[in-house]
Amino acid sequence: DAGVIQSPRHEVTEMGQEVTLRCKPISGHDYLFWYRQTMMRGLELLIYFNNNVPIDDSGMPEDRFSAKMPNASFSTLKIQPSEPRDSAVYFCASSFYGHTGELFFGEGSRLTVL
Amino acid sequence: AQKVTQAQTEISVVEKEDVTLDCVYETRDTTYYLFWYKQPPSGELVFLIRRNSFDEQNEISGRYSWNFQKSTSSFNFTITASQVVDSAVYFCALSEASRRGGGNKLTFGTGTQLKVEL
Repeated sequence: DAGVIQSPRHEVTEMGQEVTLRCKPISGHDYLFWYRQTMMRGLELLIYFNNNVPIDDSGMPEDRFSAKMPNASFSTLKIQPSEPRDSAVYFCASSFYGHTGELFFGEGSRLTVL
Repeated sequence: AQKVTQAQTEISVVEKEDVTLDCVYETRDTTYYLFWYKQPPSGELVFLIRRNSFDEQNEISGRYSWNFQKSTSSFNFTITASQVVDSAVYFCALSEASRRGGGNKLTFGTGTQLKVEL
């Protein structure tokens, strides 16, 4: 079975550009999470969805970040405009039981903003 | 507020040594879940184990074992006879009981980098 699929795996962009990260969760999982990993802050939850509805977006850094889940099989995380401090690895994860169950992570999208 | 502390930033061992990774947590809930995840050099996060707060039985899976002690709020992870392939960053994580909408945050510790050398 396919796991969580993220694209792109690597993205290098210039400050001010729009960045869109994509995620396809595991089929049947009702929860989808976006995490960011940096050396300074570790793993941070940005936002999560349950049945395509955003439940908690308190981790989204600022208005430049937005996330959508138009259907059960697709989610996007958008940064507009991007800044160098957004450079990080962004992970998407899905789960059947929410935060109390096993999270299945994608391979991550490594973003570098110059 | 929930918190997870992994005091060991980096551990280096020689292959075949046993190694224990420490995890101490804080929570006010009586029902919670503890996890360990592994992040190998390739970067993906891999689930290792989940334990709920009512089950203090230790668990063994091959060379891996976990010691859960509520009295000391610890959930330590031991690798017996370590191998080079065990080299990775290991994260301990805590989630308080589900509430409406699917639960609270899964809080990760800062991770322990384990290096196993020949």
